[in-house]
Amino acid sequence: QVTLKESGPVLVKPTETLTLTCTVSGFSLSNARMGVSWIRQPPGKALEWLAHIFSNDEKSYSTSLKSRLTISKDTSKSQVVLTMTNMDPVDTATYYCARIVAAAGTGFFDYWGQGTLVTVSS
Amino acid sequence: QSVLTQPPSVSAAPGQKVTISCSGSSSNIGNNYVSWYQQLPGTAPKLLIYDNNKRPSGIPDRFSGSKSGTSATLGITGLQTGDEADYYCGTWDSSLSAGGVFGGGTKLTVL
Repeated sequence: QVTLKESGPVLVKPTETLTLTCTVSGFSLSNARMGVSWIRQPPGKALEWLAHIFSNDEKSYSTSLKSRLTISKDTSKSQVVLTMTNMDPVDTATYYCARIVAAAGTGFFDYWGQGTLVTVSS
Repeated sequence: QSVLTQPPSVSAAPGQKVTISCSGSSSNIGNNYVSWYQQLPGTAPKLLIYDNNKRPSGIPDRFSGSKSGTSATLGITGLQTGDEADYYCGTWDSSLSAGGVFGGGTKLTVL
């Protein structure tokens, strides 16, 4: 069965760089039409899409966070990594990775990880 | 401020029907399919509806979706207390970074 699991630090200091890893199973990161997104949710607030990467290495980033984000994948390890630089307390959130199924005009997140809460505090 | 607009909350009695709206623009809903997600308290979102009106395996037909122009609607019939959750609409946006966009979420209360 398809699973995704996020891992990374639970606490980071302001100005530090956050590195999160999403380890997937039940599908390959080389599958056509499939990719992985990172999505975050501050406590009590809405979902916010951050970035995605597809099997052909196509990447896209949130316009507002583009300068701080880098997404990459290691297909052999079934992992997708997101780095976010210059962390701030407003970046405190639960970070999810989710599988994307995409085609022309459509794209949806059919499987989600359990999420990992990252707190930014000195 | 979310790109897609949803009502903050809706409520209805058990057994009743409720609809949740999602409003966007031509760069997102107007030219892309819409999906809906259910987030029960303390859990990750779960896909409810994709491609405007399709249900993944295991989602009961009490849940339905529709789209018209730049708006979409989620309908839930035969409300159950277990349906109390936050509901989010989502789609792709062509004008920004060609990435995903979500609504602000709607809290459903089953009275």
